[in-house]
Amino acid sequence: DSGVTQTPKHLITATGQRVTLRCSPRSGDLSVYWYQQSLDQGLQFLIQYYNGEERAKGNILERFSAQQFPDLHSELNLSSLELGDSALYFCASSIGLADSSYEQYFGPGTRLTVT
Amino acid sequence: DAKTTQPPSMDCAEGRAANLPCNHSTISGNEYVYWYRQIHSQGPQYIIHGLKNNETNEMASLIITEDRKSSTLILPHATLRDTAVYYCIVSKGGAQKLVFGQGTRLTINP
Repeated sequence: DSGVTQTPKHLITATGQRVTLRCSPRSGDLSVYWYQQSLDQGLQFLIQYYNGEERAKGNILERFSAQQFPDLHSELNLSSLELGDSALYFCASSIGLADSSYEQYFGPGTRLTVT
Repeated sequence: DAKTTQPPSMDCAEGRAANLPCNHSTISGNEYVYWYRQIHSQGPQYIIHGLKNNETNEMASLIITEDRKSSTLILPHATLRDTAVYYCIVSKGGAQKLVFGQGTRLTINP
């Protein structure tokens, strides 16, 4: 158990819909990262938040957005869903910014299926 | 971030040491070598990381060559539960995104 929790575990929805994925980081971790894993693209970084502020963006579509709340949990919002958005979505957390070597701890993921 | 090259697959007998190589010839001086693994579709699991020196923890050992252009992850006594995809990642550390390649699919055989 990494200490990172994600809900829901599974989500099935239709094209055009909007969903929200939730992540609670490990206690004390200030940074939250979102990754997408699809069969054809592998594990890809989407976005990072640190203490409520966006810090880095990866290959995140404009239809996707995220935020980190004052209690440090994060939500990833996916809208106008397409079949190609079907994937595993992982959240990870780490202690935070510093010029040091912090490992990331991953949650169990949310499996999104768009039909 | 520097790119890494790993063999796509490897096999190892249960109880033997599994040695997973990784090439990172363009690594820069402030970049760390991280190893993660993913068992089936679970979330990736951190294994170990290092900068210059060899490192060991309860899971594995990491051997980094003196020129830092390659490294080897060693699982000393592999078990069936070590069957997974292993990712070698080079990153500046701190709160940096991880760039995952294709990894090495390690199969431990009974």
